[in-house]
Amino acid sequence: DTGVSQDPRHKITKRGQNVTFRCDPISEHNRLYWYRQTLGQGPEFLTYFQNEAQLEKSRLLSDRFSAERPKGSFSTLEIQRTEQGDSAMYLCASSLYRKGSYNEQFFGPGTRLTVL
Amino acid sequence: RKEVEQDPGPFNVPEGATVAFNCTYSNSASQSFFWYRQDCRKEPKLLMSVYSSGNEDGRFTAQLNRASQYISLLIRDSKLSDSATYLCVVNPAAYNNAGNMLTFGGGTRLMVKP
Repeated sequence: DTGVSQDPRHKITKRGQNVTFRCDPISEHNRLYWYRQTLGQGPEFLTYFQNEAQLEKSRLLSDRFSAERPKGSFSTLEIQRTEQGDSAMYLCASSLYRKGSYNEQFFGPGTRLTVL
Repeated sequence: RKEVEQDPGPFNVPEGATVAFNCTYSNSASQSFFWYRQDCRKEPKLLMSVYSSGNEDGRFTAQLNRASQYISLLIRDSKLSDSATYLCVVNPAAYNNAGNMLTFGGGTRLMVKP
């Protein structure tokens, strides 16, 4: 499968615990995005990387959230001291950014987080 | 006020019907527009881009009205497989430079019945 992959697909944790999610983008894609989606809502942008550089962060990304893309390939999203309000689907997307041409974002299957 | 607003539905229609969804956006600086489809518990997938002149892809027609900040999607001859949530999406970047954040509406749920 050459699409975007995410791991784990499901995570159940207790309030106050730390969790880390991984995203593997489509191999040649240089941009990687994180979104969060709650039930009945559309995805909300969290942050994105071009190669290893984090270029934009939403104000939704509190200081408990951190994302990295150390080698410009896979990315991790860590949530520290989880809260029940963090329960959501965390979606990763990737795109091949080339200036002057449209670059579609392809989404992974998501990691569903439940905080008890 | 949300940046992108949609009627959540559900729209329940019989097979073969024509159904239209609307969407409004608040950021007049938005440059590119899309419809995504999301099946239950699946990831969003691009359905079509929306151009100022209107565009058609088979049974699907998308329209953009920049003056009214309004986007529409028309589905003709509905199929059972069209049942999904349709997400209206805007991007502050132009199509030829798109790639940063997408702003999604809450989605409109469509259920096509036999």
